[in-house]
Amino acid sequence: QVQLVESGGGLVKPGGSLRLSCAASGFTLSAYSMSWIRQTPGKGLEWISYISSSDDSIYYADSVKGRFTISRDNAKRSLYLQMNSLRAEDTAVYYCARGYYYMDVWGKGTTVTVSS
Amino acid sequence: DIQMTQSPSSVSASVGDRVTITCRASQGISSWLAWYQQKPGKAPELLIYAASSLHSGVPSRFSGSGSGTDFTLTINSLQPDDFATYFCQQAKSFPYTFGQGTKLEIK
Repeated sequence: QVQLVESGGGLVKPGGSLRLSCAASGFTLSAYSMSWIRQTPGKGLEWISYISSSDDSIYYADSVKGRFTISRDNAKRSLYLQMNSLRAEDTAVYYCARGYYYMDVWGKGTTVTVSS
Repeated sequence: DIQMTQSPSSVSASVGDRVTITCRASQGISSWLAWYQQKPGKAPELLIYAASSLHSGVPSRFSGSGSGTDFTLTINSLQPDDFATYFCQQAKSFPYTFGQGTKLEIK
């Protein structure tokens, strides 16, 4: 069935880096735009990055611009989020989600904790 | 950025009740609005897109309306499975933004 599975979360010190992965199955990843969205109890849901199906459009939230990089490898059916210069406020559950305007498939999420 | 404000932040209701949740955008977004349902420990799930279109597989007791800046999600004849948190999301422009959520609790 259609499924997204995130991985790569964990505990990292401030200033550190992590690379999140999102494995897609049950559909052709190359045909879809994808996003990363994070959630914290305090700030709720925050869209942070988008990549178009053809990779020609990429957007970031101001809160992560210059620190995070979204990419995809359609042959590996995977979406990625490279996160550098991590801060305490990046602590969240990170979801990958499918869709251009509306996110119709979400992964279960992976938890990122930034703490010394 | 477009700010999305939901009200109420929480609501208590009984099985069989009708509940309405509102979402207001800080500027006009036409019908570029979605509603999601989220249960504890789970990812959000798409309920409504384009303000009033029901996503595949979503029960018809859910409905959405509105355009411009004011939107509503209505749940008719509440079922036990409907007690969850609901979020709106604007898709008019990046950065996409979400409302803060409305927690629907059992009375």
